Amino acid sequence: GESVGLHLPTLSVQEGDNSIINCAYSNSASDYFIWYKQESGKGPQFIIDIRSNMDKRQGQRVTVLLNKTVKHLSLQIAATQPGDSAVYFCAENWAGGGNKLTFGTGTQLKVEL
Amino acid sequence: GAGVSQSPSNKVTEKGKDVELRCDPISGHTALYWYRQRLGQGLEFLIYFQGNSAPDKSGLPSDRFSAERTGESVSTLTIQRTQQEDSAVYLCASSLGLAEETQYFGPGTRLLVL
Repeated sequence: GESVGLHLPTLSVQEGDNSIINCAYSNSASDYFIWYKQESGKGPQFIIDIRSNMDKRQGQRVTVLLNKTVKHLSLQIAATQPGDSAVYFCAENWAGGGNKLTFGTGTQLKVEL
Repeated sequence: GAGVSQSPSNKVTEKGKDVELRCDPISGHTALYWYRQRLGQGLEFLIYFQGNSAPDKSGLPSDRFSAERTGESVSTLTIQRTQQEDSAVYLCASSLGLAEETQYFGPGTRLLVL
Protein backbone atom coordinates (compact mmCIF):
# COMPACT_ATOMS: atom_id res chain seq x y z
CA GLY A 1 0.00 0.00 0.00
CA GLU A 2 0.95 3.65 -0.20
CA SER A 3 2.97 5.18 2.55
CA VAL A 4 1.54 8.04 4.53
CA GLY A 5 3.40 11.32 4.71
CA LEU A 6 5.38 13.51 2.41
CA HIS A 7 6.68 12.08 -0.84
CA LEU A 8 10.38 12.74 -1.11
CA PRO A 9 11.87 14.23 -4.26
CA THR A 10 13.25 11.36 -6.30
CA LEU A 11 16.26 11.22 -8.57
CA SER A 12 16.50 8.22 -10.90
CA VAL A 13 19.80 7.51 -12.61
CA GLN A 14 21.26 4.70 -14.67
CA GLU A 15 24.00 2.61 -13.14
CA GLY A 16 27.35 4.08 -14.08
CA ASP A 17 26.05 7.61 -14.59
CA ASN A 18 26.93 10.51 -12.32
CA SER A 19 24.35 11.72 -9.80
CA ILE A 20 23.88 15.25 -8.52
CA ILE A 21 21.73 15.82 -5.45
CA ASN A 22 20.94 19.39 -4.48
CA CYS A 23 20.08 21.06 -1.21
CA ALA A 24 19.10 24.61 -0.31
CA TYR A 25 20.02 25.47 3.27
CA SER A 26 18.27 28.02 5.39
CA ASN A 27 20.70 29.74 7.73
CA SER A 28 23.23 32.15 6.24
CA ALA A 29 25.22 31.83 9.50
CA SER A 30 25.69 28.06 9.04
CA ASP A 31 29.35 27.20 8.84
CA TYR A 32 29.44 23.42 8.70
CA PHE A 33 27.57 21.12 6.35
CA ILE A 34 27.22 17.35 6.16
CA TRP A 35 25.73 14.88 3.72
CA TYR A 36 24.19 11.72 5.13
CA LYS A 37 22.97 8.59 3.37
CA GLN A 38 20.06 6.69 4.88
CA GLU A 39 19.13 3.21 3.70
CA SER A 40 15.74 1.78 4.50
CA GLY A 41 15.44 0.79 8.15
CA LYS A 42 18.82 2.19 9.13
CA GLY A 43 20.18 5.32 10.75
CA PRO A 44 21.86 8.05 8.68
CA GLN A 45 25.41 7.27 7.61
CA PHE A 46 28.02 10.04 7.27
CA ILE A 47 29.24 10.55 3.70
CA ILE A 48 31.18 13.79 3.52
CA ASP A 49 31.34 17.19 5.19
CA ILE A 50 32.51 20.67 4.29
CA ARG A 51 33.20 23.83 6.26
CA SER A 52 32.17 27.27 5.12
CA ASN A 53 35.74 28.37 4.33
CA MET A 54 35.76 25.88 1.44
CA ASP A 55 33.67 25.63 -1.72
CA LYS A 56 34.56 22.10 -2.77
CA ARG A 57 35.65 18.92 -1.10
CA GLN A 58 36.25 15.51 -2.62
CA GLY A 59 36.02 12.04 -1.18
CA GLN A 60 35.97 8.63 -2.70
CA ARG A 61 33.50 8.89 -5.64
CA VAL A 62 31.76 11.81 -3.93
CA THR A 63 32.22 15.57 -4.18
CA VAL A 64 30.44 18.25 -2.19
CA LEU A 65 30.08 21.76 -3.57
CA LEU A 66 29.11 24.74 -1.44
CA ASN A 67 27.80 28.04 -2.81
CA LYS A 68 27.33 30.39 0.11
CA THR A 69 26.10 33.22 -2.06
CA VAL A 70 22.90 31.38 -2.89
CA LYS A 71 22.93 29.06 0.15
CA HIS A 72 23.20 25.94 -1.98
CA LEU A 73 24.89 22.62 -1.37
CA SER A 74 25.26 19.74 -3.79
CA LEU A 75 26.48 16.17 -3.61
CA GLN A 76 27.94 14.59 -6.70
CA ILE A 77 28.31 10.83 -6.88
CA ALA A 78 30.50 9.49 -9.67
CA ALA A 79 29.75 6.21 -11.44
CA THR A 80 26.60 5.60 -9.42
CA GLN A 81 26.14 2.01 -8.25
CA PRO A 82 23.05 0.08 -7.11
CA GLY A 83 24.36 0.26 -3.55
CA ASP A 84 24.06 4.03 -3.70
CA SER A 85 20.26 3.75 -3.72
CA ALA A 86 19.08 5.46 -0.54
CA VAL A 87 17.70 8.72 0.81
CA TYR A 88 20.29 11.50 1.00
CA PHE A 89 20.02 14.31 3.53
CA CYS A 90 21.99 17.48 3.81
CA ALA A 91 22.45 18.93 7.29
CA GLU A 92 23.72 22.31 8.45
CA ASN A 93 25.18 23.57 11.69
CA TRP A 94 26.46 26.85 13.03
CA ALA A 95 28.83 27.20 15.92
CA GLY A 96 26.67 29.80 17.64
CA GLY A 97 23.72 27.44 17.80
CA GLY A 98 25.34 24.65 19.72
CA ASN A 99 26.01 21.45 17.88
CA LYS A 100 22.52 20.49 16.82
CA LEU A 101 22.06 19.74 13.14
CA THR A 102 19.24 21.06 10.98
CA PHE A 103 18.30 18.54 8.32
CA GLY A 104 16.77 19.01 4.90
CA THR A 105 13.81 16.89 3.82
CA GLY A 106 15.91 14.44 1.81
CA THR A 107 16.15 13.15 -1.74
CA GLN A 108 15.47 9.56 -2.75
CA LEU A 109 18.14 8.28 -5.15
CA LYS A 110 17.11 5.29 -7.28
CA VAL A 111 19.73 3.56 -9.37
CA GLU A 112 18.36 1.68 -12.35
CA LEU A 113 20.25 -1.24 -13.81
CA GLY B 1 35.06 -0.24 17.63
CA ALA B 2 31.31 -0.54 18.15
CA GLY B 3 29.03 2.16 16.82
CA VAL B 4 26.06 3.81 18.48
CA SER B 5 23.54 1.25 19.64
CA GLN B 6 19.89 1.75 20.51
CA SER B 7 17.25 -0.40 22.14
CA PRO B 8 14.65 -1.56 21.60
CA SER B 9 14.79 -1.58 17.82
CA ASN B 10 10.99 -1.57 17.67
CA LYS B 11 8.38 -0.61 20.24
CA VAL B 12 4.62 -0.84 19.98
CA THR B 13 2.65 0.76 22.77
CA GLU B 14 -0.85 1.88 23.57
CA LYS B 15 -1.85 5.52 23.70
CA GLY B 16 -1.37 6.89 27.20
CA LYS B 17 1.46 4.54 28.20
CA ASP B 18 4.99 5.69 29.01
CA VAL B 19 7.98 4.46 27.00
CA GLU B 20 11.74 4.52 27.57
CA LEU B 21 14.23 4.41 24.74
CA ARG B 22 17.90 3.70 25.31
CA CYS B 23 21.06 4.87 23.58
CA ASP B 24 24.64 3.69 24.04
CA PRO B 25 27.04 6.16 22.40
CA ILE B 26 30.43 5.42 20.90
CA SER B 27 32.99 5.02 23.67
CA GLY B 28 34.86 8.27 24.26
CA HIS B 29 32.23 10.48 22.66
CA THR B 30 31.25 13.21 25.09
CA ALA B 31 28.34 14.58 23.08
CA LEU B 32 25.04 12.76 22.60
CA TYR B 33 21.99 13.82 20.59
CA TRP B 34 18.42 12.66 20.16
CA TYR B 35 16.48 13.26 16.95
CA ARG B 36 13.02 12.27 15.79
CA GLN B 37 12.21 11.22 12.23
CA ARG B 38 8.61 11.00 11.08
CA LEU B 39 7.81 8.81 8.10
CA GLY B 40 9.21 10.23 4.87
CA GLN B 41 10.68 13.28 6.55
CA GLY B 42 13.99 14.64 7.71
CA LEU B 43 15.31 14.54 11.26
CA GLU B 44 14.11 16.92 13.95
CA PHE B 45 16.49 17.79 16.78
CA LEU B 46 15.17 16.97 20.26
CA ILE B 47 17.92 17.29 22.87
CA TYR B 48 21.72 17.45 23.15
CA PHE B 49 24.08 16.51 25.99
CA GLN B 50 27.66 17.73 26.12
CA GLY B 51 29.85 16.54 28.97
CA ASN B 52 28.73 17.97 32.31
CA SER B 53 27.02 21.00 30.80
CA ALA B 54 23.29 21.52 31.11
CA PRO B 55 21.57 19.77 28.19
CA ASP B 56 20.12 21.75 25.30
CA LYS B 57 16.43 20.81 25.47
CA SER B 58 15.24 23.34 22.93
CA GLY B 59 13.88 20.72 20.53
CA LEU B 60 11.68 18.77 22.93
CA PRO B 61 8.12 19.11 21.57
CA SER B 62 6.30 19.01 24.91
CA ASP B 63 6.83 18.38 28.62
CA ARG B 64 5.87 14.74 28.03
CA PHE B 65 9.36 14.30 26.60
CA SER B 66 12.45 14.10 28.79
CA ALA B 67 15.92 12.61 28.60
CA GLU B 68 18.71 11.76 30.95
CA ARG B 69 22.31 10.84 30.53
CA THR B 70 24.54 9.05 33.01
CA GLY B 71 27.94 10.72 32.89
CA GLU B 72 29.31 10.34 29.40
CA SER B 73 27.58 7.04 28.84
CA VAL B 74 24.07 5.74 28.33
CA SER B 75 21.11 8.01 27.69
CA THR B 76 17.40 7.31 28.00
CA LEU B 77 14.65 9.23 26.26
CA THR B 78 11.31 8.99 28.05
CA ILE B 79 7.96 9.81 26.53
CA GLN B 80 5.11 9.98 29.02
CA ARG B 81 1.44 9.49 28.18
CA THR B 82 2.26 8.66 24.57
CA GLN B 83 0.07 10.00 21.77
CA GLN B 84 -0.38 8.66 18.25
CA GLU B 85 1.55 11.62 16.83
CA ASP B 86 4.59 10.42 18.79
CA SER B 87 4.89 7.51 16.34
CA ALA B 88 8.23 7.95 14.61
CA VAL B 89 11.79 6.68 14.50
CA TYR B 90 13.86 8.04 17.37
CA LEU B 91 17.52 8.34 16.45
CA CYS B 92 20.47 8.83 18.73
CA ALA B 93 23.85 10.16 17.63
CA SER B 94 27.16 10.83 19.34
CA SER B 95 30.23 12.88 18.55
CA LEU B 96 33.59 13.65 20.08
CA GLY B 97 32.03 16.79 21.47
CA LEU B 98 34.16 19.40 19.81
CA ALA B 99 32.38 22.10 17.87
CA GLU B 100 31.10 20.96 14.52
CA GLU B 101 32.30 17.43 14.85
CA THR B 102 30.69 14.69 12.81
CA GLN B 103 27.71 13.03 14.45
CA TYR B 104 27.44 9.26 14.12
CA PHE B 105 23.98 7.77 14.25
CA GLY B 106 22.54 4.61 15.72
CA PRO B 107 19.95 2.47 13.89
CA GLY B 108 17.03 4.09 15.68
CA THR B 109 14.03 2.89 17.65
CA ARG B 110 10.80 2.61 15.67
CA LEU B 111 7.95 3.64 17.96
CA LEU B 112 4.35 2.93 17.06
CA VAL B 113 1.62 4.27 19.32
CA LEU B 114 -1.72 2.58 18.77
